[in-house]
Amino acid sequence: DAGVTQSPTHLIKTRGQQVTLRCSPKSGHDTVSWYQQALGQGPQFIFQYYEEEERQRGNFPDRFSGHQFPNYSSELNVNALLLGDSALYLCASSSRFSGNYGYTFGSGTRLTVV
Amino acid sequence: TQLLEQSPQFLSIQEGENLTVYCNSSSVFSSLQWYRQEPGEGPVLLVTVVTGGEVKKLKRLTFQFGDARKDSSLHITAAQPGDTGLYLCAGRTDSNYQLIWGAGTKLIIKP
Repeated sequence: DAGVTQSPTHLIKTRGQQVTLRCSPKSGHDTVSWYQQALGQGPQFIFQYYEEEERQRGNFPDRFSGHQFPNYSSELNVNALLLGDSALYLCASSSRFSGNYGYTFGSGTRLTVV
Repeated sequence: TQLLEQSPQFLSIQEGENLTVYCNSSSVFSSLQWYRQEPGEGPVLLVTVVTGGEVKKLKRLTFQFGDARKDSSLHITAAQPGDTGLYLCAGRTDSNYQLIWGAGTKLIIKP
């Protein structure tokens, strides 16, 4: 049973560019959350998608946007990249029946902005 | 602002010793989770506690949720080098879908 799959694993972009990160949730999961983890820190919540809608958003600017598709997979888009956007971006999936009991995380996408 | 304060930030001990990691907040959580993260990987769920005073054991790891559901601890007995990693606590409140995270405890167990 495949867990959460994220792509790409690593990415290098230049300031001002745009990036799209992709996530396929664990089989049976219908909810996808995105987190940003800077080096040496805990993850920070970006947003959560359920039923193709953004259900909740963290304290991130509008440059960060997302989408969820009918097959529950999701994309995270970041526009006008800044050096400070360099981080590990984590996708976590859960089920609407068990979201309170834990999330399954992907291995993340390491984004470096130069 | 909801915060989870995790301590210590860093711990390096000898194999066979015991240790405790703490996670404290002024907020009440509906559930609290502990994760372990290896370098370059995503966090892996160890346990979820949901009831005040709840104690769960996972082999040599013991997790406790405070009676008021504002704090939690992770105790490792007879630590082994394989326990080395970053341990993170994360909580959810009733009004939120997001997880609130501690900054993590970097644990090194020396042979």
